Amino acid sequence: EAQVTQNPRYLITVTGKKLTVTCSQNMNHEYMSWYRQDPGLGLRQIYYSMNVEVTDKGDVPEGYKVSRKEKRNFPLILESPSPNQTSLYFCASRAKEGQEDRQPQHFGDGTRLSIL
Amino acid sequence: AQSVTQPDIHITVSEGASLELRCNYSYGATPYLFWYVQSPGQGLQLLLKYFSGDTLVQGIKGFEAEFKRSQSSFNLRKPSVHWSDAAEYFCAVDTPRLYYGGATNKLIFGTGTLLAVQP
Repeated sequence: EAQVTQNPRYLITVTGKKLTVTCSQNMNHEYMSWYRQDPGLGLRQIYYSMNVEVTDKGDVPEGYKVSRKEKRNFPLILESPSPNQTSLYFCASRAKEGQEDRQPQHFGDGTRLSIL
Repeated sequence: AQSVTQPDIHITVSEGASLELRCNYSYGATPYLFWYVQSPGQGLQLLLKYFSGDTLVQGIKGFEAEFKRSQSSFNLRKPSVHWSDAAEYFCAVDTPRLYYGGATNKLIFGTGTLLAVQP
């Protein structure tokens, strides 16, 4: 089954304690992305990756890092989490853009982070 | 800048009633538009998409949406709502990189509409 898998689904932690949210897709997609969802703000892009070793900032990258060492994995790293990073996080992937096609993104089930 | 507006934060309808969720976009060229649904505790599922052609688009779960260029709208409709349709709905526009200076297209989301269904 085609899917995007995020772990953990829920995490409560404390300020300053490094954490990593993993994301894995089994569709051989080139493009992967991380979003955070906050009430009244919709989904905002944190980082994206167009392929292995190619990453770039989205709209709200401050306080986050990513890496793309393998095509299927795109972990989100919070080196020193702070309470304002309490949010619902989604990983997504899609196939490479074709000239005439817009590929829809496939989303994981989300990771709810609470930073105390 | 490109943007998507969903003017209704919260809507309540009775089961069996019709539904229309509004979406307006700001975009200079022909937009590529999507509707996603987020059920409680779930990720976002694609309901339907519009790229070109027929302006009335059919999606999954009995949903449809109509693209109206003159009104910059892409409203989502369903003739008869079921209790299982209670969820949050997001409209999104796919923005080419030329419009925002990035390396690839970017999906811009509206702020969502939370749908409650009364028995």
